Amino acid sequence: GAVVSQHPSWVICKSGTSVKIECRSLDFQATTMFWYRQFPKQSLMLMATSNEGSKATYEQGVEKDKFLINHASLTLSTLTVTSAHPEDSSFYICSASLLGLAGEDTQYFGPGTRLTVL
Amino acid sequence: AQSVTQPDIHITVSEGASLELRCNYSYGATPYLFWYVQSPGQGLQLLLKYFSGDTLVQGIKGFEAEFKRSQSSFNLRKPSVHWSDAAEYFCAVEGDTGTASKLTFGTGTRLQVTL
Repeated sequence: GAVVSQHPSWVICKSGTSVKIECRSLDFQATTMFWYRQFPKQSLMLMATSNEGSKATYEQGVEKDKFLINHASLTLSTLTVTSAHPEDSSFYICSASLLGLAGEDTQYFGPGTRLTVL
Repeated sequence: AQSVTQPDIHITVSEGASLELRCNYSYGATPYLFWYVQSPGQGLQLLLKYFSGDTLVQGIKGFEAEFKRSQSSFNLRKPSVHWSDAAEYFCAVEGDTGTASKLTFGTGTRLQVTL
């Protein structure tokens, strides 16, 4: 149980184009999903918190006009990198929050998307 | 604000040997603590978590972790390491900030297993 998928697993695009990444919780509903960015050999950096039916909450320093997040349903969140540039090349990982019986949250992660901008 | 420290960037152990990965946290209230494992080019897999109750937590793949409040630690252990355990291990603490429960990750420990 608690499986999260991401699509695509990797994408190469030209500078200036936009790329959409999907994050789906396959066997549970997630009111909250998170988007992270990971640079090589580094830890995860939280970019934004995605809440179903409302606007995403972005971390300080993350451009919300560049990284558009939509949480259209309880099982789907999308991240769109607009007008991508080479510096946006990175490994993007999403997670979905599963609420436990005691009210605790556990994040389950997708397999990640490798974005390369030429 | 909460923080997590993983003092060991890289650890090498022989297959069959025991393993302990260190994690220290800073958090004002009772923490929710997690260990995740990441294989190269993959997402994170949850190994185990601590919310309350028994301070010795059992996880998947034979891993366990012990929460020690007095030492602000949540070290991960395995009695006998397998070559397939080679990966990056992240400790994380969850803190409530409004309606979202965010995870703060340590910098990770890369485990290498020699045969």
